[in-house]
Amino acid sequence: KAGVTQTPRYLIKTRGQQVTLSCSPISGHRSVSWYQQTPGQGLQFLFEYFSETQRNKGNFPGRFSGRQFSNSRSEMNVSTLELGDSALYLCASSPGLLNTEAFFGQGTRLTVV
Amino acid sequence: QKEVEQDPGPLSVPEGAIVSLNCTYSNSAFQYFMWYRQYSRKGPELLMYTYSSGNKEDGRFTAQVDKSSKYISLFIRDSQPSDSATYLCAMMDAGGTSYGKLTFGQGTILTVHP
Repeated sequence: KAGVTQTPRYLIKTRGQQVTLSCSPISGHRSVSWYQQTPGQGLQFLFEYFSETQRNKGNFPGRFSGRQFSNSRSEMNVSTLELGDSALYLCASSPGLLNTEAFFGQGTRLTVV
Repeated sequence: QKEVEQDPGPLSVPEGAIVSLNCTYSNSAFQYFMWYRQYSRKGPELLMYTYSSGNKEDGRFTAQVDKSSKYISLFIRDSQPSDSATYLCAMMDAGGTSYGKLTFGQGTILTVHP
């Protein structure tokens, strides 16, 4: 069974640009959540989607947005990039309503220069 | 103050040692408690999760939750060099609008040397 796939694995962007990251969950999983991981703040929750509906959102500015498609694949978008957005962005998928078993992808390493 | 506190270490132990990793938390609404392992340049991997207080064992790993003290632990028996990684505790309040949100500790860096 294929795991969670995130693309691209690495990205370098310039301040002010926007970026879209993609996540393909494990087949059959309907919940997808996104996290930002930095050395200083650790793993921080961005948002979670279940059956195309955003159920929860973390404390991030509106520049961070996401969506989920009918096949459960998800994208997150960051507009007007700032240097502080440099981080590892992780996607996790879960089979059911509760995310007690969240399976993470390998992440997308975003560097903003 | 962070909702979940975890000693970042680093922790270095000899092969075969028993390792104890701990987290404390302040949110009494947390009901589900997870432990993840993260190798360098990889995503976190779920080791185990427990609901409410009690113990859970899986092979060399034992998770303990003490909700009265707001304290959780992960014990690794007969530690191996392959256990060298960052260990993250995570917690979830499954009520209300908290679906899908895991709150993580900072992670403890563990090195098991031969």
